[in-house]
Amino acid sequence: DAGVIQSPRHEVTEMGQEVTLRCKPISGHNSLFWYRQTMMRGLELLIYFNNNVPIDDSGMPEDRFSAKMPNASFSTLKIQPSEPRDSAVYFCASSSTTGNTEAFFGQGTRLTVV
Amino acid sequence: SQQGEEDPQALSIQEGENATMNCSYKTSINNLQWYRQNSGRGLVHLILIRSNEREKHSGRLRVTLDTSKKSSSLLITASRAADTASYFCATLPYSSASKIIFGSGTRLSIRP
Repeated sequence: DAGVIQSPRHEVTEMGQEVTLRCKPISGHNSLFWYRQTMMRGLELLIYFNNNVPIDDSGMPEDRFSAKMPNASFSTLKIQPSEPRDSAVYFCASSSTTGNTEAFFGQGTRLTVV
Repeated sequence: SQQGEEDPQALSIQEGENATMNCSYKTSINNLQWYRQNSGRGLVHLILIRSNEREKHSGRLRVTLDTSKKSSSLLITASRAADTASYFCATLPYSSASKIIFGSGTRLSIRP
């Protein structure tokens, strides 16, 4: 398996634009997580899904953020409209709820909003 | 709110010395995990310890868990320059089937 795949790796956009981050989890994993990492706030859990269903989105900062998981092999995190304070590295991770529950991370998307 | 908090925030030691990092958490857990992050990369899982375990070893890593104190420690023995990274503890709360919450991390620097 290629691991968790995120795209794009880097994104630079202007304030007010819509940004869509994409994630392909590891095949067979049934949990998917979106995290945001900044120097100031560390690694924050934004939202996680079990079996494609959003379970906890309490970490989503504002209504400008939305996440979907239309099927077991794809998820998106959308920011509309984007703001400079959204600049961060966004990580997607997946895990299995059976057996060991370790999370496997993608390489992240570095988002810069100017 | 974050579940785990690491201590110290930063640690610098000489190559060959042992490095110890601590983690405290707030609620009952199913298990506790340690991860490593190299600069500019995603996190990589190192070791998992279940709530009914007290100690676990993996190579040069030793993890302890004290559920009465809600704390864990990660010991890296005979440190190497390649161990330079940030280390995070993560907890799977007992109340959640799969939610994984990370602490603030310890930045470890190994001096050659």
